[in-house]
Amino acid sequence: GAVVSQHPSRVICKSGTSVKIECRSLDFQATTMFWYRQFPKQSLMLMATSNEGSKATYEQGVEKDKFLINHASLTLSTLTVTSAHPEDSSFYICSARDHILATGVGDTQYFGPGTRLTVL
Amino acid sequence: AQSVTQLDSHVSVSEGTPVLLRCNYSSSYSPSLFWYVQHPNKGLQLLLKYTSAATLVKGINGFEAEFKKSETSFHLTKPSAHMSDAAEYFCVVSGASGNTGKLIFGQGTTLQVKP
Repeated sequence: GAVVSQHPSRVICKSGTSVKIECRSLDFQATTMFWYRQFPKQSLMLMATSNEGSKATYEQGVEKDKFLINHASLTLSTLTVTSAHPEDSSFYICSARDHILATGVGDTQYFGPGTRLTVL
Repeated sequence: AQSVTQLDSHVSVSEGTPVLLRCNYSSSYSPSLFWYVQHPNKGLQLLLKYTSAATLVKGINGFEAEFKKSETSFHLTKPSAHMSDAAEYFCVVSGASGNTGKLIFGQGTTLQVKP
């Protein structure tokens, strides 16, 4: 149980194009999902909190117009990197909290396998 | 505010010897603490978590961690390292109080296991 998938696992695109990454909770419902990016040999940096049916909450320094987040259902959140540039190349990871079990700060987050984005 | 510091960026052990990965935390609230493991180009897997119950927490694959409030530490240990334990390990603390669910990650410790 508690499986989170991401699609695609790897994407290469040209500079200036947009890329959509999907994050799905496969066997549980998630009102809240989180998007992280990870640079090589570095830790995860939280980009935004995705809330089902409402606007995402972005961390300081993250451009909301560049990283569009949509959380249209309890099992799907999408991250769209708009007008991608080489500096957007990174490993993007999502996580999800179980809606039914969520009680507070001790909740376990389940992580997806990540998406490797390379912008040429 | 919450923060977490992993004291070693890289730890190298021989197969069959004990593993110790150190983590100190800072929190204004009673923290929830986690250890996650990440294998190369993979997502994160939860090893164990502490949420104000027993201070000695047992996790998967023989790992355990002890919450020590007086030392603000949550070190990860394993009695005997296996080659498959080689990976990146993250100590994580929950964010501010309330139901935000935000996690704060340490910088990570790379565990190398030598044959």
